[in-house]
Amino acid sequence: DTAVSQTPKYLVTQMGNDKSIKCEQNLGHDTMYWYKQDSKKFLKIMFSYNNKELIINETVPNRFSPKSPDKAHLNLHINSLELGDSAVYFCASSQASVGIADTQYFGPGTRLTVL
Amino acid sequence: DQQVKQNSPSLSVQEGRISILNCDYTNSMFDYFLWYKKYPAEGPTFLISISSIKDKNEDGRFTVFLNKSAKHLSLHIVPSQPGDSAVYFCACEGGSEKLVFGKGTKLTVNP
Repeated sequence: DTAVSQTPKYLVTQMGNDKSIKCEQNLGHDTMYWYKQDSKKFLKIMFSYNNKELIINETVPNRFSPKSPDKAHLNLHINSLELGDSAVYFCASSQASVGIADTQYFGPGTRLTVL
Repeated sequence: DQQVKQNSPSLSVQEGRISILNCDYTNSMFDYFLWYKKYPAEGPTFLISISSIKDKNEDGRFTVFLNKSAKHLSLHIVPSQPGDSAVYFCACEGGSEKLVFGKGTKLTVNP
């Protein structure tokens, strides 16, 4: 059983398109995250949701819009894709919310390539 | 500016020997520290963690050491095995920061 799953695993698209990446966790966790791993290999947090509510929203263009239909899902929608959006995007989940130290569990990643 | 630094991009060791991966941080508010292991085309997998009230945590072949005064932590793997070959990420959290990752160190364990 996959604890944190993401679809698709690979996404190749043209500049200007709109795309979505889906994430689901079956761990019963309350908090979910999106991270971006850029070409320099840094893993940076983008968003965090706790029980469907936005908790963290780092400096991310508003073309990126997370949506959490329930606490087991956190989807990432990206409008008007740009070349610089090419990266690997990781979803993660944890039991506790921000401010409480705990372990995050990651999905397999989605490699987005914008042409 | 990087809050979490892993200054060695790669490390190569012989099977059976000790692997030591290092991590330095600058934010004194960090109070929880984790190591993640990542294989190609997979997400990071949690390996071991330590809170700031401890200076050592051991789990099988893996031991994490924390030196708060030096703002330094290290991961020791002994004995190293070829299956340990992966990229290891140090991550820190605390204060207003949720997980902040280092750039990773690629470990190669040679048979």
